[in-house]
Amino acid sequence: RKEVEQDPGPFNVPEGATVAFNCTYSNSASQSFFWYRQDCRKEPKLLMSVYSSGNEDGRFTAQLNRASQYISLLIRDSKLSDSATYLCVVNMPTGTASKLTFGTGTRLQVTL
Amino acid sequence: EPEVTQTPSHQVTQMGQEVILRCVPISNHLYFYWYRQILGQKVEFLVSFYNNEISEKSEIFDDQFSVERPDGSNFTLKIRSTKLEDSAMYFCAQIKAGTGVYEQYFGPGTRLTVT
Repeated sequence: RKEVEQDPGPFNVPEGATVAFNCTYSNSASQSFFWYRQDCRKEPKLLMSVYSSGNEDGRFTAQLNRASQYISLLIRDSKLSDSATYLCVVNMPTGTASKLTFGTGTRLQVTL
Repeated sequence: EPEVTQTPSHQVTQMGQEVILRCVPISNHLYFYWYRQILGQKVEFLVSFYNNEISEKSEIFDDQFSVERPDGSNFTLKIRSTKLEDSAMYFCAQIKAGTGVYEQYFGPGTRLTVT
């Protein structure tokens, strides 16, 4: 089983739509969870950390289910500028250095 | 807010040559990381660096790779004898001091092309 698994997409949605991405991770001892956004040939940019209680930032809502080892990201009222690859990222519990393990990403294309 | 910067943005080198990629950290950041991303593939961890020492390295980070903080500020990744398969984007990343969650912030990357 892959350490972090995502549906690669692409997800093609019209502007204004709601879209949800899912991610599963294999290591039950993982401690921190994140969603990053990556534009073509650019660096990953932190979108939001994901907390057990769930968290929301504007149009973005992230959920974590530790029992199922499942993370989700919901984007409401999609904008053209949301078109990007969304990376599910997990902090693997190893030493003190907190390395990140990335999924392959889910590509989102928002259209007019 | 200050951002992590990297130089050069693009490096082309011949197979077998040595390359040095540079990262200019933000002064109050603690942990430093290098990651790479081969075109079309996922981001992969290479090495972490804390207190001027390597904390952890991945299987990718073999003897051809080294990291240094030569002048106490810049943070470098050296590849001694490049191979074609080293062609990738190389990102440095840092954790901001004082945050309770280990959020890593990435530099813009160096695109390395080995010919």
